[in-house]
Amino acid sequence: QAVLTQPASLSASPGASASLTCTLRSGINIATYRIYWCQQKPGSPPQYLLRYKSDSDKHQGSGVPSRFSGSKDASANAGILLISGLQSEDEADYYCMIWHNNAWVFGGGTKLTVL
Amino acid sequence: EVQLVESGGGLVTPGGSLRLSCAASGFAFSIYSMNWVRQAPGKGLEWVSSISGGGSYIYYADSVKGRFTISRDNAKDSLYLQMNSLRADDTAVYYCARDPSDSSGVYWGQGTLVTVSS
Repeated sequence: QAVLTQPASLSASPGASASLTCTLRSGINIATYRIYWCQQKPGSPPQYLLRYKSDSDKHQGSGVPSRFSGSKDASANAGILLISGLQSEDEADYYCMIWHNNAWVFGGGTKLTVL
Repeated sequence: EVQLVESGGGLVTPGGSLRLSCAASGFAFSIYSMNWVRQAPGKGLEWVSSISGGGSYIYYADSVKGRFTISRDNAKDSLYLQMNSLRADDTAVYYCARDPSDSSGVYWGQGTLVTVSS
């Protein structure tokens, strides 16, 4: 089982909200991890969006709109990237990542389609 | 402004070698851990290797251990990846990435393409 699992794809309408999940493997306690989120558009490198561990330990990337926010669902052992007020330019691949056992671990990525 | 510029990619035959470089600017290079992350065509991100600011701590993905060597020259604000015994499945865009800190995020370079093919 992968350390981080993301749904392969998600579709949502312009103006709506999208909730992208990043589920940690059972036995890995999400409470102890900072979860980082990056956005990647075709032909471009990843770009950092934000970090979330708790409401007192979070960081928003420079220039990243406030409609991008992070949270956790402890009951599901999952990190969440919430994008509100979806715009066409939000269509991209989104990756979560954590530092785990002396390695950066990436989720498989979620392809967000805005239609 | 943080900038990371990779170079050294190209076409190499299986079993060959290549050395990637990453020139850093806009931050205190020596205090940050640095990383190589790759992305095969049409695939997701895969961490390759990390090196601490002073170079004392080095980590590799199992897929490259024994074949790749990460290094840095803090006097030149540069990061390197020596890749030996290259295989077709090493074909990817290789990104240089700076570790985050408490007050900053992950910074990525533009990437350099490595193609392993006969």
